[in-house]
Amino acid sequence: ELKVEQNPLFLSMQEGKNYTIYCNYSTTSDRLYWYRQDPGKSLESLFVLLSNGAVKQEGRLMASLDTKARLSTLHITAAVHDLSATYFCAVDDRGGTSYGKLTFGQGTILTVHP
Amino acid sequence: DGGITQSPKYLFRKEGQNVTLSCEQNLNHDAMYWYRQDPGQGLRLIYYSQIVNDFQKGDIAEGYSVSREKKESFPLTVTSAQKNPTAFYLCASSKGTGGAETQYFGPGTRLLVL
Repeated sequence: ELKVEQNPLFLSMQEGKNYTIYCNYSTTSDRLYWYRQDPGKSLESLFVLLSNGAVKQEGRLMASLDTKARLSTLHITAAVHDLSATYFCAVDDRGGTSYGKLTFGQGTILTVHP
Repeated sequence: DGGITQSPKYLFRKEGQNVTLSCEQNLNHDAMYWYRQDPGQGLRLIYYSQIVNDFQKGDIAEGYSVSREKKESFPLTVTSAQKNPTAFYLCASSKGTGGAETQYFGPGTRLLVL
C-alpha cells in the first residue's frame, strides 16, 4: 500500500523567510503533484513533476522530485501572507492496475505572519 | 468557460436517507474521481471512472455508489450504509489515466448529518 507523508504538518513562518515542505512516499513512482487549498475551498494544481530530478518554479514556490530517495520538496522563498494555505502532495500509484490513482499526503498548513 | 461543477454546495442528510451529489464537467475529460476530505486531513479516494459505463472502487468505497452513464457526469450516492458521512466531498477529472494527467477539482459539496 502506497503511503505518502508530509512534514511538517503545521508551519508558521515570518514574512520574508525561506522554508521547505517535505513529501516522502513509500513506493516507486515518478509522478508527483503539488496542490494548494485555501480554507473552505477546493484544490488548485500547483506543480506536476514527472521524472527524477524534475524541478518546477512558479513565483516564490519551487518544487523538486528525487525518485531514488522517494522524496519531493516544496521550497518557499521570501514568504508573503498570500502563501498562507494548506499544501498537499499527491503521488500517482503506478505500481498496480489502478493507473492514475492518486494518494495524498496529510497536508501542510502554512501560516505566514507579518 | 470549461470547468467542473458540483451541486449542491451544502447538503443535509437525515438518518437512513440516501443522498446524491452531482458532478458535471465540460472539459471533455475521460477520467473522473470522487474524494472525501475530513477536517484536517488529506483526500481519500472513494470511486473513480476511466471511461463511460466503467468505474472502480477506491480506498473507502463502502457505503457509496456511483454511475457513469455520460462522459460529462459522475454522480455519487451516499447511502444509509455510510455511518459517518459528514465530510467535504470533492469531484475531480483528468484528460485520461494513461499519461501524466493533472486532476482538476470542482468546488466541493459539504455533507452534514442532521
